[in-house]
Amino acid sequence: AQKITQTQPGMFVQEKEAVTLDCTYDTSDPSYGLFWYKQPSSGEMIFLIYQGSYDQQNATEGRYSLNFQKARKSANLVISASQLGDSAMYFCAMRVRNAGNMLTFGGGTRLMVKP
Amino acid sequence: EAQVTQNPRYLITVTGKKLTVTCSQNMNHEYMSWYRQDPGLGLRQIYYSMNVEVTDKGDVPEGYKVSRKEKRNFPLILESPSPNQTSLYFCASSLDAGTLSTDTQYFGPGTRLTVL
Repeated sequence: AQKITQTQPGMFVQEKEAVTLDCTYDTSDPSYGLFWYKQPSSGEMIFLIYQGSYDQQNATEGRYSLNFQKARKSANLVISASQLGDSAMYFCAMRVRNAGNMLTFGGGTRLMVKP
Repeated sequence: EAQVTQNPRYLITVTGKKLTVTCSQNMNHEYMSWYRQDPGLGLRQIYYSMNVEVTDKGDVPEGYKVSRKEKRNFPLILESPSPNQTSLYFCASSLDAGTLSTDTQYFGPGTRLTVL
């Protein structure tokens, strides 16, 4: 079975600073994808970034980057130059090829950006 | 605009009164799925569908039904809702039919359901 663990229930970061949100995963399938989603207070789920298990380089999307350490089974999200609008819940999720395309989510991390 | 829509966005109902939450996508996606979100538990999959007329159970299917008669629609049916089904529900869709682990799922805006 697949499992995603986010150990930080809540975090503060000062505006304009960088922040790292932790995510560890567990799967025995060699082919998988890791995703990060943002959920602002309005409730919608917004896709941020994706990392494939065979990707050689860490994924980046604007201010978001994914620190992928395959041997440690971690996929931490790094947000650079935090903005007030980054305050939200962040979810790490995983899909594996042999699990019916199901997304397995972690419990989430609530990020609060201080002005 | 490419999107996943859900209706209603908010619903308060009583125990035992059948209800349907609709989900529609305009991206010609093969795969559709329903999740529920509860505090501290993240999102958990209820049902998914890899194509028309093909549905399967996720992690928490009890008390729910789905159907996939058309590619764009994937309604969630609660035949006899109970208070423990009070939750935030999300519909999601993605392009592929289940062979790739890399395809991104796009979510609808959510439906907040309260069962009294």
